[in-house]
Amino acid sequence: DSGVTQTPKHLITATGQRVTLRCSPRSGDLSVYWYQQSLDQGLQFLIHYYNGEERAKGNILERFSAQQFPDLHSELNLSSLELGDSALYFCASSSGAGGRGNTGELFFGEGSRLTVL
Amino acid sequence: SQQGEEDPQALSIQEGENATMNCSYKTSINNLQWYRQNSGRGLVHLILIRSNEREKHSGRLRVTLDTSKKSSSLLITASRAADTASYFCATPTWDYGQNFVFGPGTRLSVLP
Repeated sequence: DSGVTQTPKHLITATGQRVTLRCSPRSGDLSVYWYQQSLDQGLQFLIHYYNGEERAKGNILERFSAQQFPDLHSELNLSSLELGDSALYFCASSSGAGGRGNTGELFFGEGSRLTVL
Repeated sequence: SQQGEEDPQALSIQEGENATMNCSYKTSINNLQWYRQNSGRGLVHLILIRSNEREKHSGRLRVTLDTSKKSSSLLITASRAADTASYFCATPTWDYGQNFVFGPGTRLSVLP
């Protein structure tokens, strides 16, 4: 058990809909990362939050948004869903602040599997 | 383009044999990490090697790092069926604002 909790584990929805994925980081970790893993794209970095502030943004679509709340949990909002958004969405937490100087390991949740029909 | 790329993409071996996976990266790093992912599960951290280290051991795992060649290798000795998983290398980088970049992974199958 990594200590990172993601909900829901599975989600099936239709194109055009909006979903929210939730992540509770490991106790004491201030950084939350979101990754998307699909069969043809591997593990893609979406966004990183540190102590409530956005630190880095990767290949995140404009239809997607995220935030980290004062209690450090994070939510990833996916809207106007398309078939291609079907993937595993992982949240990971770390005690570090991120960046080139970060030597901390990432602790991953078990992911939220999104299926868009 | 990928910061880290694992090689081979897939590897199939018999139980008891050794498995070697390689990772190449493009920019300078201060550490490199290896992760394992069982099918459909979350990634699990295996080992971190710093840029000033050339080799590191953890149980049946041996990781090497050659910063001059920008490459790393992960060796799993005396493999077991339970080692069947995908293995990823990850590097911290500021490239395009990303913090940790993962390679596409090596899918290891250990046959009983």
